[in-house]
Amino acid sequence: GDSVTQMEGPVTLSEEAFLTINCTYTATGYPSLFWYVQYPGEGLQLLLKATKADDKGSNKGFEATYRKETTSFHLEKGSVQVSDSAVYFCALEGGYNKLIFGAGTRLAVHP
Amino acid sequence: NAGVTQTPKFRVLKTGQSMTLLCAQDMNHEYMYWYRQDPGMGLRLIHYSVGEGTTAKGEVPDGYNVSRLKKQNFLLGLESAAPSQTSVYFCASRTSSYNEQFFGPGTRLTVL
Repeated sequence: GDSVTQMEGPVTLSEEAFLTINCTYTATGYPSLFWYVQYPGEGLQLLLKATKADDKGSNKGFEATYRKETTSFHLEKGSVQVSDSAVYFCALEGGYNKLIFGAGTRLAVHP
Repeated sequence: NAGVTQTPKFRVLKTGQSMTLLCAQDMNHEYMYWYRQDPGMGLRLIHYSVGEGTTAKGEVPDGYNVSRLKKQNFLLGLESAAPSQTSVYFCASRTSSYNEQFFGPGTRLTVL
């Protein structure tokens, strides 16, 4: 069945460091791919998405490119801030528009 | 717009008790979903609905029932709670034409 694998956390960075969170997927066909973010004590919010191969999703300085060849959708940001501390979830859209999530990666950014 | 709201925010149950979690959305969305979030496992789909009066099982439906009597509400029921149902429960909704799910703030449930 469809599945998503993302790097385990926690990821701990200093402010202004470069961030990469790896995400790979297994799916039939070419599903839409998403990154959601969960700030402490809150629900999930959509961060960015890509709907077809080679699409790049971007928002708030974060980027991810849909790579069909490597079945990947890695999240990157050039310079993280303390306010980026959160849990990040990679997800794909499966049948009947259901989301299949990875386990989540906790990011902690220190001043 | 309140978006997606969930009631209650916190609840503690004893094993064998029953309860209902309420999800409400004011965005006129057709699709609604119930997920549970457990440490190290991401979110897993319990049940979902593609329209008023319709429901379907997700990945982990055992021990839960749902109802969608009104388009704006999606209820999740636990008939006989078990400690394995201790989790954070999230509701989400989306339109049929745009693939972004909007999430509620969650309900933290503890079963003793």
